Amino acid sequence: AQSVTQPDIHITVSEGASLELRCNYSYGATPYLFWYVQSPGQGLQLLLKYFSGDTLVQGIKGFEAEFKRSQSSFNLRKPSVHWSDAAEYFCAVGASQAGTALIFGKGTTLSVSS
Amino acid sequence: GAVVSQHPSWVICKSGTSVKIECRSLDFQATTMFWYRQFPKQSLMLMATSNEGSKATYEQGVEKDKFLINHASLTLSTLTVTSAHPEDSSFYICSARDWGLAGPGGETQYFGPGTRLLVL
Repeated sequence: AQSVTQPDIHITVSEGASLELRCNYSYGATPYLFWYVQSPGQGLQLLLKYFSGDTLVQGIKGFEAEFKRSQSSFNLRKPSVHWSDAAEYFCAVGASQAGTALIFGKGTTLSVSS
Repeated sequence: GAVVSQHPSWVICKSGTSVKIECRSLDFQATTMFWYRQFPKQSLMLMATSNEGSKATYEQGVEKDKFLINHASLTLSTLTVTSAHPEDSSFYICSARDWGLAGPGGETQYFGPGTRLLVL
């Protein structure tokens, strides 16, 4: 079955500390992987995506993610968290076939403490 | 680039009325748009896939007669919640793929800001 698992429902980090959000996927075809961020009451903003090539991808707002095929993981990282990073983060997987919808994880809520 | 808008952002209606939500791709053409529903503190649930010029494909458990989708042009898809009831209250989000991008880039979905529906 195709699925995305985000094991951490809620994470709190101190401002300036590093962050890692976990994402594991189960997908039969070659996966396209995405991280989106959602602020309260807002839509989703694309942080970064992985299709192929270099397994370490850089995104906006200082985020990066590493694709590890052997672990079926696509963890999101940021070396120094800012208070404005507090939001809901969703990992998603899609297929290369045109028109295929994304499968989303349940999301991880990030809180940033001062 | 790759901006998706939704209108309205907020709507409150009486039970039994119908509500139309518009999803527009502002600076690109989208042959495929997706409609999601999100409950508080939960992930996005795909409702249907909307293809320009053809009937939408609904996910299992989604009533197509209740949630009417029309994708009349390459930049506009509409979701009409017919005879809305309080249980239809939710946050509805659309997304669109950039048809103009070939290859994997075209698989990126861009999301609208969402529409919050409250049915009284």
